[in-house]
Amino acid sequence: SAVISQKPSRDICQRGTSLTIQCQVDSQVTMMFWYRQQPGQSLTLIATANQGSEATYESGFVIDKFPISRPNLTFSTLTVSNMSPEDSSIYLCSVDLQGNTGELFFGEGSRLTVL
Amino acid sequence: AQSVTQLGSHVSVSEGALVLLRCNYSSSVPPYLFWYVQYPNQGLQLLLKYTSAATLVKGINGFEAEFKKSETSFHLTKPSAHMSDAAEYFCAVTHSGTYKYIFGTGTRLKVLA
Repeated sequence: SAVISQKPSRDICQRGTSLTIQCQVDSQVTMMFWYRQQPGQSLTLIATANQGSEATYESGFVIDKFPISRPNLTFSTLTVSNMSPEDSSIYLCSVDLQGNTGELFFGEGSRLTVL
Repeated sequence: AQSVTQLGSHVSVSEGALVLLRCNYSSSVPPYLFWYVQYPNQGLQLLLKYTSAATLVKGINGFEAEFKKSETSFHLTKPSAHMSDAAEYFCAVTHSGTYKYIFGTGTRLKVLA
């Protein structure tokens, strides 16, 4: 199993500002995933973060808006840039220890409210 | 392309009653299917998974699900609901060779005393 810690757990932000979310895993993992969970909606994959390479973004998400860092095998950050109220969501970090089709382990999420 | 449909965004059952949460999938390749549970202010936790072995899958907390290819379904059941089962439940699909999981929109289960 994996223990995933996310910071902050929640925050209230002003429009136009940026916030960086940290994700720390208690074991080394190749791939880390960032999901967005908007109110009343499902989880949507934002990007996949591999250590030592650029993150791979899903359709509808761009690096300028959601820059990601992956400095080592246990840590990643997601920045939500130039926030608007539409960015109010829960952002979840996850890992797949078994690789492809294994179990996804999730952090507790970072709940962002943008005013 | 793959997709997941969860019928019923909210389900209420009485304590001790049968829990049935519905999930239908669409996939052009053999699917791998999952049920996750999310308790308030927590991340998602795996309940059970189907990865092409036995079609009846047993998970944690007394939950089970049956993969029915003919019906493209993977419904989640529990014989007797407990108050602690109140949470949001997500069905998800993926397949071999990809890291992309497609999640359903979730079903919020309410257990009535």
